[in-house]
Amino acid sequence: ETGVTQSPTHLIKTRGQQVTLRCSSQSGHNTVSWYQQALGQGPQFIFQYYREEENGRGNFPPRFSGLQFPNYSSELNVNALELDDSALYLCASSLHSLGHTEAFFGQGTRLTVV
Amino acid sequence: KQEVTQIPAALSVPEGENLVLNCSFTDSAIYNLQWFRQDPGKGLTSLLLIQSSQREQTSGRLNASLDKSSGRSTLYIAASQPGDSATYLCAVTHGNNRLAFGKGNQVVVIP
Repeated sequence: ETGVTQSPTHLIKTRGQQVTLRCSSQSGHNTVSWYQQALGQGPQFIFQYYREEENGRGNFPPRFSGLQFPNYSSELNVNALELDDSALYLCASSLHSLGHTEAFFGQGTRLTVV
Repeated sequence: KQEVTQIPAALSVPEGENLVLNCSFTDSAIYNLQWFRQDPGKGLTSLLLIQSSQREQTSGRLNASLDKSSGRSTLYIAASQPGDSATYLCAVTHGNNRLAFGKGNQVVVIP
């Protein structure tokens, strides 16, 4: 089991609402990345945070935003939820080092938008 | 744009057979390649990490090879067991430490 924890594990929201997902990174890791995994698909990169700054973003609209805190934990916020936002949201923690380090994932948050 | 493909999408094997899972990627400028296991509705468990300078990695019954120049990796699981039933995902690290994933190989090991 990794030291990456995500909360909540499941939640149901209504279209148009806002949601905040949380992630605690593994001890010693300074980088957090967020991924969206739709049913039957591979995870898609949303964005990455390093030293409290966004460090790369995938093809997601601005209503997907995030934060990283001084203890390296992170939040993913999604505004104006749409039905297609229903997915498993995965957080990965790693040590920023020119891409040579292993990424460790949390158990995910299953978001259902109705 | 990096594209990762995993073939076959799904397979079933009898217990005891060796599993061979294939992954291909379009851009060879990768830092490393990771194989993950995912149980239904769960997060990802890292199985093996192969650095771009390496040709293979082994952990117990698992062996992964990497041919960066041809954009291919293969995961071998020896003497499969019912507990190996899961989805196996291949991911490459490129630019800005982001992972590009395939859709996975869904494996069922039949007792």
